[in-house]
Amino acid sequence: GQNIDQPTEMTATEGAIVQINCTYQTSGFNGLFWYQQHAGEAPTFLSYNVLDGLEEKGRFSSFLSRSKGYSYLLLKELQMKDSASYLCAVLDSNYQLIWGAGTKLIIKP
Amino acid sequence: GAVVSQHPSWVICKSGTSVKIECRSLDFQATTMFWYRQFPKQSLMLMATSNEGSKATYEQGVEKDKFLINHASLTLSTLTVTSAHPEDSSFYICSVGTENSPLHFGNGTRLTVT
Repeated sequence: GQNIDQPTEMTATEGAIVQINCTYQTSGFNGLFWYQQHAGEAPTFLSYNVLDGLEEKGRFSSFLSRSKGYSYLLLKELQMKDSASYLCAVLDSNYQLIWGAGTKLIIKP
Repeated sequence: GAVVSQHPSWVICKSGTSVKIECRSLDFQATTMFWYRQFPKQSLMLMATSNEGSKATYEQGVEKDKFLINHASLTLSTLTVTSAHPEDSSFYICSVGTENSPLHFGNGTRLTVT
């Protein structure tokens, strides 16, 4: 079956760095997405990786290793507003999005 | 600015009535729109894929006669929850993408059925 694993919850300190990991096992691969979702709101697109390597976008970076079925989202200089759920999703060979359950990130002052 | 406009943001209705949710693509013509549902503390669940000018493709377990989807134009898709019941209370979200890759989400509609 298809499966995406990410930690349920993580806690970090304001100003620090946090890495949220995502491992996947899917039928084919056409890219991996990271979304941010604040409670009660729709997800917001953060990044899309289809090639191996690191993509940097401001305070957020996303890394992909297709051979390992692994990605991470790196958040630097954490701010209180970064407290949210972070969703990892993979586009499989049929172009279906397979969603992870999300990682709830709690930022403490 | 917003790429996808979803309306209404929230709605309360009585059991047995129908509710229509609109999803509009603002910046580009969307041949495909996706409808998701999210229950509290759970991940997004794809309900159906809406294709302009043709019938929607529903995911397993989603009743097509209960969740009517109409994608009459390249910028508008509607989801109608018919004969709503309290268990239909949820957060409904549409997304718009190119080909089969959804990228932008609407703000969601919180439906409460009393």
